[in-house]
Amino acid sequence: NAGVMQNPRHLVRRRGQEARLRCSPMKGHSHVYWYRQLPEEGLKFMVYLQKENIIDESGMPKERFSAEFPKEGPSILRIQQVVRGDSAAYFCASSQGTTQPQHFGDGTRLSIL
Amino acid sequence: GNSVTQMEGPVTLSEEAFLTINCTYTATGYPSLFWYVQYPGEGLQLLLKATKADDKGSNKGFEATYRKETTSFHLEKGSVQVSDSAVYFCALMKTQGGSEKLVFGKGMKLTVNP
Repeated sequence: NAGVMQNPRHLVRRRGQEARLRCSPMKGHSHVYWYRQLPEEGLKFMVYLQKENIIDESGMPKERFSAEFPKEGPSILRIQQVVRGDSAAYFCASSQGTTQPQHFGDGTRLSIL
Repeated sequence: GNSVTQMEGPVTLSEEAFLTINCTYTATGYPSLFWYVQYPGEGLQLLLKATKADDKGSNKGFEATYRKETTSFHLEKGSVQVSDSAVYFCALMKTQGGSEKLVFGKGMKLTVNP
């Protein structure tokens, strides 16, 4: 009975490279959310997706960041041309539907050299 | 807009001490309220929740009551254990226009010493 699975757990990139973060929701969950946690801060909402649809991306930077949740496979958060300020922990959560509790993965800790 | 304000930490307590972590919120309408706990190197785990005024959420000895009149959702535990050492986040969920998102406080780090 796996929970939300994120990989990799740790990712190191050099400035200008691309980062791809993956999230497999809990079984039976069709709603996926991405949050970013900066050091000593709470989590900030980035994007909310359902299968093949972006429902709300109001928290995502307009440039370099994109997210998808295809019909098959995990949800992907993609960061192009990474900069030092992208260093953070990125958490994925999933739920069965609106108003249902969100369950979190262990996060991907992204470090930019 | 929606926001959550939490008591700032870090806080250090001795085992069996009483714990209160204050949380107040600002929101239009009636959001659902949550407490999440984050252990070192892990993701957030749902600790408890309340979906309407005067609801009390409880789990593992922790309690919090949804107080609409004071817009608060303070977390309490009567006797903390070393294993309760973690970061605690208060959050609200607002559903609007077909979207929903959690809005978190900054978190409070608790250390419990034996």
